[in-house]
Parts: sequence; structure tokens; C-alpha cells
Amino acid sequence: EVQLVESGGGLVQPGGSLRLSCAASGFTFSTYTMGWVRQAPGKGLEWVSDINSSGERTYYADSVKGRFAISRDNSKSTLYLQMNSLRAEDTAAYYCAKAKSSGSSYDYWGQGTLVTVSS
Amino acid sequence: DMQMTQSPSSLSASVGDRVTITCRASLVISNYLAWYQQKPGKVPKLLIYSASTLQSGVPSRFRGSGSGTDFTLTISSLQPEDVATYYCQNYNDAPLTFGGGTKVEIK
Repeated sequence: EVQLVESGGGLVQPGGSLRLSCAASGFTFSTYTMGWVRQAPGKGLEWVSDINSSGERTYYADSVKGRFAISRDNSKSTLYLQMNSLRAEDTAAYYCAKAKSSGSSYDYWGQGTLVTVSS
Repeated sequence: DMQMTQSPSSLSASVGDRVTITCRASLVISNYLAWYQQKPGKVPKLLIYSASTLQSGVPSRFRGSGSGTDFTLTISSLQPEDVATYYCQNYNDAPLTFGGGTKVEIK
């Protein structure tokens, strides 16, 4: 059974940093593109970032480019999202998601971790 | 940048009704279009990928169609368990933009 378990969310002040983790199991992590999607309270889904299976190619939404960094450790089956220079508008539930294949839709999602940016 | 425009933003229909949701891409995306269902308080679930391919386990009353810039999600006979918000997503190229969502309720 595929499982994606996010961690690392919490309350952070504007300008601060957080690192989210997503522990994956139930599939061969190293062969799949992975991504992060966020959802602000009461709002729609917003794609944040993707990383290919090897970690060599990364993609970002304009809203986080230069502030967030996606990475993965295939030896640990873990996906990361380093978030710097956080803003109030980054407040959201952050979901880790597995792509069906490279450059594809997301067939499995984690339960999400909540990030709140507030003073 | 790519924009994905869904309509309507919300709808109310009776059980058994046929429901249609549209999604328009601002650029041609071939068939690189997915539909997701998000029930209240739950995680999004993949319904359809490649514009018209039903994800395993999804009821056959859900149907996707379209190519290029115009896409449609149809629920052939609305059921109470279909109450949810539905999102389209482009995955032709980054940014992998989502549509704004369509909230479906039972009348």
C-alpha cells in the first residue's frame, strides 16, 4: 500500500524558515517524480514544486521560486521542501504527492501538514 | 503563464442528474489534463488522467473528454457521495496549474 506521510509543519514568523519532509513507502520511490501541492484555508489547490526521479530536475511555481527548494533522498525514500523567507500568504496545508509517471498527474497524496506564517 | 479556467465555480443538482464541468486552458496542452475530486475535509483524489482515462477504482459514471484547450468532466448520474469540489490540472509543462475548482452540491 502506498503511503505518504508529511511532517515538519508548524507556526513560523514571517521571514522564517521551515523544512517539510514526506516519508514514502509501498512503492519504489526512486523511480517516480514527486511533488508538493498546497491549499490555503478555504481555498483551492496550488501546485508548488516537482522533482524528477533522480532529483536532477526541479520545477517551481513563480510564487515560491527563489524561496523554496525541493529535494529528495532516494536512499531514505524521503521528499523534502525547504521553505525560506516565509510570508503570510504561504500559510496552507502542504501535500506531498506521487506522480503516476514522469510529467504526469498525481495518483497518491499524503494527508498534508499545516504551515502557518504569522507573528 | 498558463491559466486554467473552470466553470461553473459551483453548482447544485439533484440526485440522478447529469452534471458537466468545463475547464479551459490558456495554451494548448494536448491531453495532459487531470481531474481530481476533493471531498470536504479530505485529500484530493485522482479521477481522470490523460483527459479521458479513468483512474482505477473510479466509478464509470465519471467521464472526461476534450483535447487542446477545452475539457469536460461529466458525471452521468449524480450521487450523494459525489458532493465535493472538483479540480482540473494541466501537466503538459510547468507550472502544473490547477483550475479554481467547482463545488458540487445536492439540491
